[in-house]
Amino acid sequence: DIQMTQSPSAMSASVGDRVTITCRASQDISNSLIWFQQKPGKVPQRLIYDASSLLSGVPSRFSGSGSGTEFTLTISSLQPEDFATYYCLQHKSYPYSFGQGTKLEIK
Amino acid sequence: EVQLVESGGDLVQPGGSLRLSCAASGFTFSDPYMDWVRQAPGKGLEWVGRVRNKANSYTTKYAASVKGRFIISRDDSKNSLFLQMNSLKTEDTAVYYCAKVPFDYWGQGTLVTVSS
Repeated sequence: DIQMTQSPSAMSASVGDRVTITCRASQDISNSLIWFQQKPGKVPQRLIYDASSLLSGVPSRFSGSGSGTEFTLTISSLQPEDFATYYCLQHKSYPYSFGQGTKLEIK
Repeated sequence: EVQLVESGGDLVQPGGSLRLSCAASGFTFSDPYMDWVRQAPGKGLEWVGRVRNKANSYTTKYAASVKGRFIISRDDSKNSLFLQMNSLKTEDTAVYYCAKVPFDYWGQGTLVTVSS
């Protein structure tokens, strides 16, 4: 089974900061990775699919990169509404697996 | 408008069984694969399993943590997805979400609590 290791597990940042979150896969998953954002009490929302493709309606300050085993989600300039928990999901092979999540808090 | 509405969550004793349902509307339910994802209180997301569509023989896949205990099925005539949970353990306590593949739509979730 593929393990997804996400880091950091939590971080604090300020509005306007550039933030990077990393997911590492235990084996090659090509670009079969989705990034989600989840706000408290809400369902997860897709941000990026195929590792680097931004979904329609998602602000351009979000970007994804990587292939193989290492992936990053970058928020170029944090906005107040971006404080949430972020998860990666590999869908290369079954069973699918999420990263442990990164809780992004206001500094 | 796509809607997914889960139901069936409850308090159940360890070793017990429960059946969750997910009612779908706003799209051609028979087309996509459908998944279950769960989230224990205050914890991260865990993929539970998938049922494919008729063209793919309704085959299923499961997480190791639930394989042999949980069964996912669907009834396309009723636009419904199901999760039969048997031999429940305390660690199965979670909010269970149904999700339309490719995870573009999720239900609001139903809470399953396994406790004596």
